[in-house]
Amino acid sequence: DAKTTQPPSMDCAEGRAANLPCNHSTISGNEYVYWYRQIHSQGPQYIIHGLKNNETNEMASLIITEDRKSSTLILPHATLRDTAVYYCIVRVRNGGSQGNLIFGKGTKLSVKP
Amino acid sequence: DAGVIQSPRHEVTEMGQEVTLRCKPISGHDYLFWYRQTMMRGLELLIYFNNNVPIDDSGMPEDRFSAKMPNASFSTLKIQPSEPRDSAVYFCASRLAGNTDTQYFGPGTRLTVL
Repeated sequence: DAKTTQPPSMDCAEGRAANLPCNHSTISGNEYVYWYRQIHSQGPQYIIHGLKNNETNEMASLIITEDRKSSTLILPHATLRDTAVYYCIVRVRNGGSQGNLIFGKGTKLSVKP
Repeated sequence: DAGVIQSPRHEVTEMGQEVTLRCKPISGHDYLFWYRQTMMRGLELLIYFNNNVPIDDSGMPEDRFSAKMPNASFSTLKIQPSEPRDSAVYFCASRLAGNTDTQYFGPGTRLTVL
């Protein structure tokens, strides 16, 4: 699986957009970019995933660069409840053991009032 | 749906005792995963099942750990004998086979071995 690199921590003001970067320079053509988050004392929660096109859902937007070597998760209007550790994961979709989620250290996002 | 259900939520036991963690996946999901999370090692996959059959147990730390899935709605993770280094939060997750690979995690069981 391609390795990912994320900043260990970020701050964001409540109501502002939170932009969380992820580098995955060794990603292969059949690997997707997934984002999960883990709020304190809870299990990880799926946010969004994509292959090469930008994606948007009710939680966030995912912007993937054209060369697919990096991506950005955007929370358009961060709230205090978005304070969590955000994990960027690349994996083969439906790839059996190759498709297992491998969690790195993630980015601890702190949303401040 | 109630989501993935795990029990107990907290477990405190003494070294050498047997510990059994339980998980009920989301109804209809084909895959079930057991993870362990510690401060030192982060979130690690221990084992996963597909249609109740263990597929990959390479993450199970040692023979003291065992997992079973007797039916589609129930799985156990057993540690016998338990050791203090087994203290961690254990998560169960499930997902549906097919086009979406989204895993749904339970609330976790916080295990403390004294």
